[in-house]
Amino acid sequence: DVKVTQSSRYLVKRTGEKVFLECVQDMDHENMFWYRQDPGLGLRLIYFSYDVKMKEKGDIPEGYSVSREKKERFSLILESASTNQTSMYLCASRPGGYGYTFGSGTRLTVV
Amino acid sequence: QKEVEQNSGPLSVPEGAIASLNCTYSDRGSQSFFWYRQYSGKSPELIMFIYSNGDKEDGRFTAQLNKASQYVSLLIRDSQPSDSATYLCAVTEGGAQKLVFGQGTRLTINP
Repeated sequence: DVKVTQSSRYLVKRTGEKVFLECVQDMDHENMFWYRQDPGLGLRLIYFSYDVKMKEKGDIPEGYSVSREKKERFSLILESASTNQTSMYLCASRPGGYGYTFGSGTRLTVV
Repeated sequence: QKEVEQNSGPLSVPEGAIASLNCTYSDRGSQSFFWYRQYSGKSPELIMFIYSNGDKEDGRFTAQLNKASQYVSLLIRDSQPSDSATYLCAVTEGGAQKLVFGQGTRLTINP
């Protein structure tokens, strides 16, 4: 089974901090994605990547950036955390033609 | 903006009955369709995928696809309390690798 590992289940950060959310997959998938999930708003795509060094903006990229230096690792960066970035963050990977496998999620609280 | 619509529920079904979950999508170019189950506080888990018109069965689950009507559904037979969760419909955006998600239907199975 594909395993997608997110480094933290729960994080509490202060407003203005730079925050790194790490995601690693173990199946050599090209495609990786970052979503946030909020009640009433569903899953919203932040950034995605189809290959190393490649990144594309999703629907809500403002305030975020990403890094993909190695195929298995896709990092989400909150440049200056704000309270409206308090959310559940979900990383996913996808082999071509199949569904996503999600990581266990990181619940981020910005205070 | 491509859209995926689901009835948010909650949908309440007695144990042992058939639960029927529905989803419509706006992008006629969508080629792959997925159903995810999400328990409270957990990440989504892929339970079914379907690519062709018609029915696809896997155990107690049946996915149905009608591309002409842009409609996909999930039937759960012999519903169990453990099926109580939020069910997310997801479709590919045209021929792309990324998925667009519905807001989810909350299903409750009553013993």
